[in-house]
Formats: sequence, structure tokens, C-alpha cells
Amino acid sequence: AQKVTQAQTEISVVEKEDVTLDCVYETRDTTYYLFWYKQPPSGELVFLIRRNSFDEQNEISGRYSWNFQKSTSSFNFTITASQVVDSAVYFCALSEAGAAGNKLTFGGGTRVLVKP
Amino acid sequence: DGGITQSPKYLFRKEGQNVTLSCEQNLNHDAMYWYRQDPGQGLRLIYYSQIVNDFQKGDIAEGYSVSREKKESFPLTVTSAQKNPTAFYLCASTPGKGARQPQHFGDGTRLSIL
Repeated sequence: AQKVTQAQTEISVVEKEDVTLDCVYETRDTTYYLFWYKQPPSGELVFLIRRNSFDEQNEISGRYSWNFQKSTSSFNFTITASQVVDSAVYFCALSEAGAAGNKLTFGGGTRVLVKP
Repeated sequence: DGGITQSPKYLFRKEGQNVTLSCEQNLNHDAMYWYRQDPGQGLRLIYYSQIVNDFQKGDIAEGYSVSREKKESFPLTVTSAQKNPTAFYLCASTPGKGARQPQHFGDGTRLSIL
């Protein structure tokens, strides 16, 4: 069965500090997709990135970067020079190509609080 | 703008009462999903539908029912059989049923017991 673990429940930083969110996953499928979503206080989930199991290139988008390591089943997310607007709950999620219904399995989320 | 609209934003249920949460999308997406989020936890799948007039149970379907009579609409009914309905409910959609497609989410409905 697929499983996603986000061990950090809450991280508090001061503005301009870097913050790294950990995500560890379990799957038996060889083809799968990993996602990160942001949930601001308003409640909706905002899609940030998707990575497929065959692409281990790291990715950078502005102040966001992602480190995918298949050998350790991890897909970590770093926010560089954090800002107050980055305060939110961040979810890592996994989707298996072989699963019915495009099912997403979510981690428990990491709440990031950026203080001015 | 295209998107997913959930209503109401807040909903209160009395004991023994059924309530229905609305989810409408104008993205022309085929697949729609309902999730439940409890405080401090991730999302869990309640039901999903990949095509009109068809839907499947997710991980926590007991006490819930859905219908998919129109492509753009996927209402969720929380029945009196759901003994602990207090949660945040999120509706999502994807263009098709491929696992690689990111899901688009609505703003959610917060349900509480009176």
C-alpha cells in the first residue's frame, strides 16, 4: 500500500531563513508521481509541483526547490529566503500509475510559520 | 475564470440530519473527487467519479453518498450514519483519469455539529 510521511508537523522560522520540508514515501509501483501542494489559511490546496518516478532531476522555481532521491524514497522541498506569505500548510502526495481512480495519498502536512 | 466552486463555506448539522455539500466546476473536467480533512491531518478520499453517472468509493465512504448526474456537478451528502462529520471537506477535479494529472481544488466547506 502506498504511504506518505511528513515527519515535521510544524516549523517556525524568521523571515529570510531557509526552510526544508521532508517527505518520505512508500510504494510498490515502479511508475508513480509525487506532488507538493500548499494550503494557505483560506483553505484551498494550490498545486506547486509534480515529479514522476523516472525523472530524478532536481527542480528550482524562484525561491522554491525540490530534491527527489529515489534511493531514499524522499522528495524534499526547500523554501529559500522565506517570506511571511509562505506561511501555510504544505502537503506531499503520491499517485501510483497502477492505482484505480487517480488516487492521491497525502502526507499529514507540515505547517510552516514565517515570522517577520 | 475557470475553477471549482464549493458551497456553502460553513455548514452546521443537527443530530440525525442529512446535509448536502455542493461542488460545481466549469473546467470541463471529467473526473471529480471528495476529500475529508481533519485538524492536523492530511486529506482522505471519500468518493471519486471519473465519468458522469459513475462513481467509486474511496477510503472512508461510510456515512457518505454522492451523485454525478452532470459533468460539472458532484454533490456530497453527509448522512446521519456518519457519526463524526465535523471536518473540512474539499472537492477536486482532473481533466481525465491519469495518475500524473494534478488535482485542482475548491475552497472547501467546513462542517460542524450543532
